[in-house]
Amino acid sequence: AQTVTQSQPEMSVQEAETVTLSCTYDTSENNYYLFWYKQPPSRQMILVIRQEAYKQQNATENRFSVNFQKAAKSFSLKISDSQLGDTAMYFCAFMNPIKAAGNKLTFGGGTRVLVKP
Amino acid sequence: DARVTQTPRHKVTEMGQEVTMRCQPILGHNTVFWYRQTMMQGLELLAYFRNRAPLDDSGMPKDRFSAEMPDATLATLKIQPSEPRDSAVYFCASGLVLTLQSSGANVLTFGAGSRLTVL
Repeated sequence: AQTVTQSQPEMSVQEAETVTLSCTYDTSENNYYLFWYKQPPSRQMILVIRQEAYKQQNATENRFSVNFQKAAKSFSLKISDSQLGDTAMYFCAFMNPIKAAGNKLTFGGGTRVLVKP
Repeated sequence: DARVTQTPRHKVTEMGQEVTMRCQPILGHNTVFWYRQTMMQGLELLAYFRNRAPLDDSGMPKDRFSAEMPDATLATLKIQPSEPRDSAVYFCASGLVLTLQSSGANVLTFGAGSRLTVL
């Protein structure tokens, strides 16, 4: 079974600065997807970024970028130029689309990010 | 933007009552998931469907929970009888899950969640 671990329960960052959230996962599969979801106080789960394991290039979405280290099974999220609206819970998640009965999204425990003015 | 619609947004009920939560997935999505979120357990997968067929409901207490997908536009999660420990936020998510590597696939869109409080 796949497991996803987020070792930082909470992080704070000053507005306009950069913060990096860590995520590690465990799998024996070679082809899979990794995601970061954001959950603001409204509790809506919002997709931040997605990475396909077969792509070596790290995904980026505006101020959000990842550092995907496949051999180390590491998938960190960097938030640059942090904004107050980035305050939220961030979840790392894993999906294996190949396994017929296992195409589910497995989540880490989450990291709470607080952006301070 | 296409959305996953969940009802109700909030539900307060008494122990022993039946609770039904509904989800309208995004048209064209082939997979629907039900997740439960609590402070203690985080996000737990309860059940999911592929092309309306249940694939895995091992995360769901079978004696009181049931999940169905009567048609492609509706998924339901029912709790009968409800207990205080069922208090949580229940999320529905849908996606087009493919085994092929496709840029638009394999991304789940979540509904806004149903917050359930069982007294």
